Amino acid sequence: DTGVSQDPRHKITKRGQNVTFRCDPISEHNRLYWYRQTLGQGPEFLTYFQNEAQLEKSRLLSDRFSAERPKGSFSTLEIQRTEQGDSAMYLCASSLYGVHEQYFGPGTRLTVT
Amino acid sequence: GENVEQHPSTLSVQEGDSAVIKCTYSDSASNYFPWYKQELGKGPQLIIDIRSNVGEKKDQRIAVTLNKTAKHFSLHITETQPEDSAVYFCAASHNTGGFKTIFGAGTRLFVKA
Repeated sequence: DTGVSQDPRHKITKRGQNVTFRCDPISEHNRLYWYRQTLGQGPEFLTYFQNEAQLEKSRLLSDRFSAERPKGSFSTLEIQRTEQGDSAMYLCASSLYGVHEQYFGPGTRLTVT
Repeated sequence: GENVEQHPSTLSVQEGDSAVIKCTYSDSASNYFPWYKQELGKGPQLIIDIRSNVGEKKDQRIAVTLNKTAKHFSLHITETQPEDSAVYFCAASHNTGGFKTIFGAGTRLFVKA
């Protein structure tokens, strides 16, 4: 399967714990996006990378959130000191530079208890 | 700010009937309008898209129309089948800002056999 993959698919954590998610984009795609989706809503943009450079961050991305893409391939999204409001589906998408079409992974569903 | 509104939020049709989902966008710089289908437990899947220099596009049973003046775009599904049941999202993006995509809130489509 050469699509976007995300790991883990599900994560349950207690409030205050740190969590980290991983995204592996389609291999030749140099743009990578993170979105958050809450129940009954569409995905909301969080941040995107072009190769290893993080070029834009949404105001939704508080100081507790950090994303990296160290070698321009896979990316990680870390949430520190999780809160119940962080419970959501975290989606990753990738695209080629200069191309609109974004392809999504299956998402990581986070539940903070 | 940028906004995409989508309606209806829920749509129920009989198998074989047509389904229409409508969206409006606020950012006049938007020039790319994708539609995504999301099934339970999966990430959004790109099903069709339209660019601002085109008024209509068709792919088998799916068609999209765009009215740039009114900032309206629509998805039409003909001869609906039970496997069309899913949540559909419209979205809008433009060439700046890394093609950041703004999504509507989604339409849950039920196709009754």
